[in-house]
This record gives sequence, structure tokens and C-alpha cells, in this order.
Amino acid sequence: DAGVIQSPRHEVTEMGQEVTLRCKPISGHNSLFWYRQTMMRGLELLIYFNNNVPIDDSGMPEDRFSAKMPNASFSTLKIQPSEPRDSAVYFCASTIRGSKSYGYTFGSGTRLTVV
Amino acid sequence: GEDVEQSLFLSVREGDSSVINCTYTDSSSTYLYWYKQEPGAGLQLLTYIFSNMDMKQDQRLTVLLNKKDKHLSLRIADTQTGDSAIYFCAEWRTGFQKLVFGTGTRLLVSP
Repeated sequence: DAGVIQSPRHEVTEMGQEVTLRCKPISGHNSLFWYRQTMMRGLELLIYFNNNVPIDDSGMPEDRFSAKMPNASFSTLKIQPSEPRDSAVYFCASTIRGSKSYGYTFGSGTRLTVV
Repeated sequence: GEDVEQSLFLSVREGDSSVINCTYTDSSSTYLYWYKQEPGAGLQLLTYIFSNMDMKQDQRLTVLLNKKDKHLSLRIADTQTGDSAIYFCAEWRTGFQKLVFGTGTRLLVSP
């Protein structure tokens, strides 16, 4: 299994531009999570999906952020327009819903730099 | 409080034991986890413990659980430089049906 796959690994963009981060969960996993990690705020849960349906988006910082999961094998996190304070590492994780002993499997992350 | 708390830093010498501590909040948590994050990588599940256990050992790792005090610890025996990383504890929040992560402890192992 290739694990959770995120792309791109690194993204540098100018303030005001649209940024799209992509995630492919592990096949058979039905819960997907988007996290943001910064030195100041640590690891923050932005949004999560069960069976492709958004369950809790209370962590999404503002309307500039949106996430979709059109099917079980793909999710996107979009920032439009991007701002320098959005610079962070964004992680996607997936799991089998209800399988607590399994934990979450994380991707390698996308390091976003907004200049 | 609602946060899962950890100390921010721990520095040890190679060969010593490391103990990373965590205080969680949900007394009904059924599973508690330790994750490791190496530089430039995502979080990797190290081990977990079920709430009806007090201790779990896996090679150099020992997890201790004190349910009364809601305290979880991870002991790494014979710590190596490759153990340098950020370690996160996490609890399964029954009410929210999701993992809640601590702030992470940065372990630095010096030769």
C-alpha cells in the first residue's frame, strides 16, 4: 500500500493566488482529515469527512478555506485568496471509521509558503 | 480543560532513557496513542494502549497509563539519535468520535 498520498510536497505562491492541495487516502479508508501544523499553533484539525461527507468544519479558519471530497479516493483543500499567514504544513490523514485501534495514517504533508 | 497537554521539550543523552509525559482530558477515552513525527515527515503511529491496561511494552517502548490521574507516559529505553523527533500523544474522544492530539514534545538526543 502506498499510504496516504499528498501533492504537491512543496508549494510556493504569491499572496492573493489560489492554492489547491490534494490528498489520496488509503484505499478502503472511509474517514479523511485535513490538519494544519505551525510552530505557533501546533497541529490543528481543519475539517474531516466520513464517507465523503463533511462532518465537522469548525476548524476551518475562514471562508477563504474550502475542502471537498468528490469521491472516496480524492480530496482537495483550497485556499482562495492565499495570505502569508496561511504558510504552514498541511497534512491529510485517513482511517477506517470506528476502528479505534487502527489510529490515523498521515500523509507526508504539503509545505505551503505564501510570499 | 479541553486540551491534551505535553511538555514542549526534552533533551537526553544517547543511551539514556527518555520519558515523555501527557495529560489527557476524557475519562471515558478507550484508546490512547503515541505518534512520532520525524523532520519533514507526517505523524507515524508508534503504539497505542487500551484503557483497561496499565502498561504496554513493545521492544524499547513502554507505555504507562494512570487512569485515575488521566496521565499517559512513553518511556524509550536506550535512546538513540534516530529517536530525535516530535512525539504526540492522542486520545480517542468518545463524544466527538475522533482523535484529539496533544501539543507535541520535541525530543532531542545528543551523542
